[in-house]
Amino acid sequence: GAVVSQHPSWVICKSGTSVKIECRSLDFQATTMFWYRQFPKQSLMLMATSNEGSKATYEQGVEKDKFLINHASLTLSTLTVTSAHPEDSSFYICSARDTHGEQYFGPGTRLTVT
Amino acid sequence: GESVGLHLPTLSVQEGDNSIINCAYSNSASDYFIWYKQESGKGPQFIIDIRSNMDKRQGQRVTVLLNKTVKHLSLQIAATQPGDSAVYFCAEKGSGGYQKVTFGTGTKLQVIP
Repeated sequence: GAVVSQHPSWVICKSGTSVKIECRSLDFQATTMFWYRQFPKQSLMLMATSNEGSKATYEQGVEKDKFLINHASLTLSTLTVTSAHPEDSSFYICSARDTHGEQYFGPGTRLTVT
Repeated sequence: GESVGLHLPTLSVQEGDNSIINCAYSNSASDYFIWYKQESGKGPQFIIDIRSNMDKRQGQRVTVLLNKTVKHLSLQIAATQPGDSAVYFCAEKGSGGYQKVTFGTGTKLQVIP
């Protein structure tokens, strides 16, 4: 089956620093990848949709300058949280869509900002 | 940090009993519905899906029912097992093959051994 990986699985960073999270589709090509954020005991909220080779589309209320998304290849998208603050601590989950329109989810990355 | 918001409703079920998890959706244009299972610290795992032109679909130990009239979706798990303990989310996707998946609020299922 289609596998999506994320790296790192967890990260701790200091307030004011930036952190990059990678999302890879391991055995299929993904022209579109999605980034979700999930706070404890809440649902997954879509942050942005990233298309290979073009700019990401951000959901309302998500700061594009703070959450930089790069989708440079058909198997890799990255999310960079810039100038992280404690309120950015969350579980970040990516999803990749294959050429049939099926969407597969990664295992998530736990970000803790101290 | 955690936002002030909803806490997940919890359903406690005795091992071996059947579980029914409910979900209401608001978008009448949604064409495709999915149930996901999420274990603690992991990403969502696909369980079963159903298209809007169906009202019932069965899988292994799971059944999804769709009532478009009242915009209601349910997941039934037969003979619930301890390994079924997780948070369950319903999700929807609009018409057209490439719409994004939008998640509803989840339900935490606790199986009592």
